[in-house]
Amino acid sequence: AQRVTQPEKLLSVFKGAPVELKCNYSYSGSPELFWYVQYSRQRLQLLLRHISRESIKGFTADLNKGETSFHLKKPFAQEEDSAMYYCALRPSSNTGKLIFGQGTTLQVKP
Amino acid sequence: NAGVTQTPKFQVLKTGQSMTLQCAQDMNHEYMSWYRQDPGMGLRLIHYSVGAGITDQGEVPNGYNVSRSTTEDFPLRLLSAAPSQTSVYFCASSYRATGLLYEQYFGPGTRLTVT
Repeated sequence: AQRVTQPEKLLSVFKGAPVELKCNYSYSGSPELFWYVQYSRQRLQLLLRHISRESIKGFTADLNKGETSFHLKKPFAQEEDSAMYYCALRPSSNTGKLIFGQGTTLQVKP
Repeated sequence: NAGVTQTPKFQVLKTGQSMTLQCAQDMNHEYMSWYRQDPGMGLRLIHYSVGAGITDQGEVPNGYNVSRSTTEDFPLRLLSAAPSQTSVYFCASSYRATGLLYEQYFGPGTRLTVT
């Protein structure tokens, strides 16, 4: 079965602390994985895609096929990082279909 | 470009009423999708379309209909609203480019309450 699991509903950290938002997936093929972010009262937007191996707003995510994980990390959290984060998997490169995790709310306290 | 637009932003329906949520994009994207967002459930795919005239069911299609008569528009119809359909609905579109991964662009959402 194709599934994305984000085990934490809420992650609360202090400003300047490291952040790791967990994402595990279940998929038999070669996965295409993404992180989307939704800031308060804004629409969802793409944060990262695994193929790009990029760092956006200080966030990075590495695909670990052995552990079937795609955790999102940032060494020093900022208050403006507070948002809802969704991990997503695209099961087929022929469609725009995405399977989302349950989402994790990141709260960065001053 | 306006991107992905959705109307209305808010809607309250009584059980049994029908309505259509509108979604439009001006980016000439082939793919369009409807998701619903519920607390603790993340986003779940309702229906999607890979091009004009082609639609398919997602994870939670029951109670919803879609059509795609043009590339730009992808309306979502609730046939007989139920309280279980109270949710925030997001429309998304994406492009296909050879050798590239597509990014999904999301609309601002429609918050629907069914009483």
